[in-house]
This record gives sequence, C-alpha cells and structure tokens, in this order.
Amino acid sequence: SQTIHQWPATLVQPVGSPLSLECTVEGTSNPNLYWYRQAAGRGLQLLFYSVGIGQISSEVPQNLSASRPQDRQFILSSKKLLLSDSGFYLCAWSEQGFEAFFGQGTRLTVV
Amino acid sequence: EDKVVQSPLSLVVHEGDTVTLNCSYEVTNFRSLLWYKQEKKAPTFLFMLTSSGIEKKSGRLSSILDKKELSSILNITATQTGDSAIYLCAVERTGNQFYFGTGTSLTVIP
Repeated sequence: SQTIHQWPATLVQPVGSPLSLECTVEGTSNPNLYWYRQAAGRGLQLLFYSVGIGQISSEVPQNLSASRPQDRQFILSSKKLLLSDSGFYLCAWSEQGFEAFFGQGTRLTVV
Repeated sequence: EDKVVQSPLSLVVHEGDTVTLNCSYEVTNFRSLLWYKQEKKAPTFLFMLTSSGIEKKSGRLSSILDKKELSSILNITATQTGDSAIYLCAVERTGNQFYFGTGTSLTVIP
C-alpha cells in the first residue's frame, strides 16, 4: 500500500533563515505531488504541483520554491524565510483520476 | 480565476442535529469535486463526485453534485461530537490539480 512521509512535524525558524521541508511517497510510481499551505485552520492554498521529476508548476508568486529530485521525493525550500511564511504545510500525492492523499503536515513558525 | 467557495465558514450544532455544508465553484476544465474531513493534521478523504445528481453515501454522511448550479452539498445526519472538524471541499481540474475552498469549521456540542 502507498504511504506518504512528511517531516519535520514542527519547525521554528528565525526570519532570514533557510527552509527545507521534505516529503516522500512509497508504494507508487510517478505520482503527482503537491505542496499546500493552510493558514489558521482555513482552506488549503496550492503552492506547487509536479507531474514528474524536474517538472514543477507554481501556483502563486512567493518566497518559496519546490524541487523534485527523485520520482517520489518532493522538497519545499526557501533561501530566506519571512514572517508571512508561517503556516501549516501539507504535502500530498495522487494518481490521475483519483483523490489526493495527504501527509501529516509541518507546522512552521517563523520568529 | 478559479474559485471554490464554502459556506458557512463555521457552524455550531448540538448532537443529533442534521447539518448541510455547501460548496460552489467556478473552475475551468472541471473534472471532479471532492470532500475531505480534517480533524487535526492530514485531511482524510470522504467523497469524490463526478456525475451530477448521483448521491454518494457513507454512514451518516452523504453528498451530491449539481453541475448545472456548479455546487455540491455535504449532509451529516444525527451529528456526533466526533464529527467536529473542518470540512474541506476541493475541485479537481484536468491535469489532476486540486483547488480547495476555505473550509467549514463544524463544532458539535454534546
């Protein structure tokens, strides 16, 4: 069966520091991968999605970037964090025609 | 611009009540509409709707899609405290992109 791992679960980082959040999926090949951000218990905002290695689409201009160095690995990064980057980050995967499955999320606080 | 709007934003009911959550959308290249329940961390999948007018049911939860009205409802009957959560509506576009609404926060009081 498929599983998705996302880490770390919580992170407190100072303003201006770099960020790297990692997500890996097991039990499937060539999944579609997604990064979402959720603010204060509200809806999910799609940040990036990827249909294959090295193929990244960005939904909103921002201080973040994403990379997919391997088929089942998706990384969310920033060179210099802003206070506004605080939030709950969720990684998800899906296969064409099926629902998305989510990781447990990373709560990022920028101080 | 693609849009998914949920209403109400929050709702407080007593155990045993029936609730109806709404989701409306304006999305190009619509493929399906999905409902998720989020209690603490990872949203968990409830329903995927692709055809208009066909109700999907799971226990006390049911949902239906109206493609003419570009909307969907999620019904929960005989609510329990365990139903307290954020309910998220998402629309899938061709290309397997999922866009989420603002969510409805449901609180069920004993």
